[in-house]
Amino acid sequence: EPEVTQTPSHQVTQMGQEVILRCVPISNHLYFYWYRQILGQKVEFLVSFYNNEISEKSEIFDDQFSVERPDGSNFTLKIRSTKLEDSAMYFCASSDRGRNEQYFGPGTRLTVT
Amino acid sequence: AQSVTQLGSHVSVSEGALVLLRCNYSSSVPPYLFWYVQYPNQGLQLLLKYTSAATLVKGINGFEAEFKKSETSFHLTKPSAHMSDAAEYFCAVTPEAGGFKTIFGAGTRLFVKA
Repeated sequence: EPEVTQTPSHQVTQMGQEVILRCVPISNHLYFYWYRQILGQKVEFLVSFYNNEISEKSEIFDDQFSVERPDGSNFTLKIRSTKLEDSAMYFCASSDRGRNEQYFGPGTRLTVT
Repeated sequence: AQSVTQLGSHVSVSEGALVLLRCNYSSSVPPYLFWYVQYPNQGLQLLLKYTSAATLVKGINGFEAEFKKSETSFHLTKPSAHMSDAAEYFCAVTPEAGGFKTIFGAGTRLFVKA
């Protein structure tokens, strides 16, 4: 069964460093998403991406964040200068149509020290 | 604005007992509704979805949910709990129009006692 994969599973970085979180969505899906879940809190939407551009983003997704689909399979989330409060689990998701169910990856746990 | 409220951050049931996890949504138009389950240290797995077809939706692992427009509810049930059902459950909504994001409730942790 096709699944969304994410790498790395755990990333530790120092405050102020740049990180890139990588995702491989399900191959025939056209819509891609990033969410985050701070420990003990709800899952929060960050950004959606369709047709090589951002279709929607939340207030969390400020200028420190960017997304890219560098090739036909990868979807990345970059945080330019990490802050302590960026520590969270980051989930990638994909769907075949807008508003349809989203399939989530296992997540990347980001720890900023 | 769309929102999702899950009543009860923790629910504890005995093995074999009925599971009822409550979810209410706010929406000016019928949304798409989902239940996801998250096992420890894992991602989110779709249990079931409502997309304006049948109001009683059956999902995986014996779970089902009923969409009640008059009550703006989408409660999740399972007739008989199993130890393997212990996990965090999230109700989520995708608005009818104007975006693709999914809005999640705060989650309900289900404990199953032997």
